[in-house]
Amino acid sequence: AQKVTQAQTEISVVEKEDVTLDCVYETRDTTYYLFWYKQPPSGELVFLIRRNSFDEQNEISGRYSWNFQKSTSSFNFTITASQVVDSAVYFCALSENSNSGYALNFGKGTSLLVTP
Amino acid sequence: DSGVTQTPKHLITATGQRVTLRCSPRSGDLSVYWYQQSLDQGLQFLIQYYNGEERAKGNILERFSAQQFPDLHSELNLSSLELGDSALYFCASSVGVGPAGELFFGEGSRLTVL
Repeated sequence: AQKVTQAQTEISVVEKEDVTLDCVYETRDTTYYLFWYKQPPSGELVFLIRRNSFDEQNEISGRYSWNFQKSTSSFNFTITASQVVDSAVYFCALSENSNSGYALNFGKGTSLLVTP
Repeated sequence: DSGVTQTPKHLITATGQRVTLRCSPRSGDLSVYWYQQSLDQGLQFLIQYYNGEERAKGNILERFSAQQFPDLHSELNLSSLELGDSALYFCASSVGVGPAGELFFGEGSRLTVL
């Protein structure tokens, strides 16, 4: 069963638009961690944020913000005033204590294209 | 630059062959993880080593094996290669064994099996 669902496969926006990437997760643990990673066209995976399950405070970092809601098991990511350089595939991931240790369980990713 | 080094960056080989992918973790990181990224399966966790010992196993095929050496670098061995093994293989490292810290990923090794 998919533990992390990113329902949006592809999103296309025009520069300066705001865009929200959805992430829904599934876990029975009370202690878990959620992550967002960015994979630009060059291919590397870049860490964006980590949240633990006990901290529901929303976070803002520049144009990036994250909304964590345990009630809906969601950890959404918003980019404000998008830029062409934001074009990438974005992955949401869950880390919980499982048979695979705390290894990250990634969603399928959302491909974001920002056009000028 | 994440500090995680993977070699080779690209590798083309034939079915039935064996290859070795190498990973050097960030300085000070004791955990090494291997992930496979393919179009149909997405990012799949393969295996984790912590300070030389296997710590966790994911969807790793029996044809694949890995180890972490005393200097903490790791190697992923892929044998009896099949077309479906073509993928981008990532190595990641972290300080500890759990999720206390973020995972730092290398740039990946792209394997093409012809």
